[in-house]
Amino acid sequence: ETGVTQTPRHLVMGMTNKKSLKCEQHLGHNAMYWYKQSAKKPLELMFVYNFKEQTENNSVPSRFSPECPNSSHLFLHLHTLQPEDSALYLCASSPQREGIDTQYFGPGTRLTVL
Amino acid sequence: GNSVTQMEGPVTLSEEAFLTINCTYTATGYPSLFWYVQYPGEGLQLLLKATKADDKGSNKGFEATYRKETTSFHLEKGSVQVSDSAVYFCALPPTDSWGKLQFGAGTQVVVTP
Repeated sequence: ETGVTQTPRHLVMGMTNKKSLKCEQHLGHNAMYWYKQSAKKPLELMFVYNFKEQTENNSVPSRFSPECPNSSHLFLHLHTLQPEDSALYLCASSPQREGIDTQYFGPGTRLTVL
Repeated sequence: GNSVTQMEGPVTLSEEAFLTINCTYTATGYPSLFWYVQYPGEGLQLLLKATKADDKGSNKGFEATYRKETTSFHLEKGSVQVSDSAVYFCALPPTDSWGKLQFGAGTQVVVTP
C-alpha cells in the first residue's frame, strides 16, 4: 500500500465510449503525474500537475484530458480512444514538483480499447 | 541531461540463485539513484535508493552501491525467491529542478522454483 489509489483497476471500452480514470493520494503531496506503460516500451510521462496546475503535457493527444480539482485527486478523461491506447495507466505523486525525488505510484488501471 | 541505461531482460533464474541487474548512468553532478520494482499487476514502488557516492542502498535482501568511478548502480541479491519475480527499474532525478524523473527501460526477472 503506497498511499496512492486508482480506480477502476481494469477498464474495457469501445472507441466511441467516454470514461474517466481516477487517482487519489493520501500522502499530502503537491505534485501528481500520469504515466502510460505499454508492453515493451519505456514508461511514458503524460501529464504533470503541481499545486493543481498543469505544468507539463508531453505531446499527448487531445483524446486524453486530465483534470486536477485539488492536490489529492487526479482524473484522466478518455474519449474516442484507439486500440493502440490500450495500456496500463499509472498515477504517481511526489511531495513537490521542483527538485523531484521519490515518486509514489498507484497500482494502475489496465485499459483495453476494443 | 541525466539518463540511465539498464540491461535488457528477461532474466530467468532458479530460486536461490544470485541476481545482478546492471545499471549505468550519465549525470551532471552526483544525483540520488533509485531502484523501483513492479510486481505483477501492480504499480511501481521504490525498492531502495542511495543519495551519494559510495552509499549502499538495501531493502528486502537487495543491495545496490553508488559507484561514481564506474557511473554504475547495479542491483544485486544473493538468493532470489519466486516472489522476487517482477520488473526492476533503475532511475535518477532530472538534470534541473523541473525535469522528469528518468527511468530505465526495465528488466523483467523471472524466478522459477
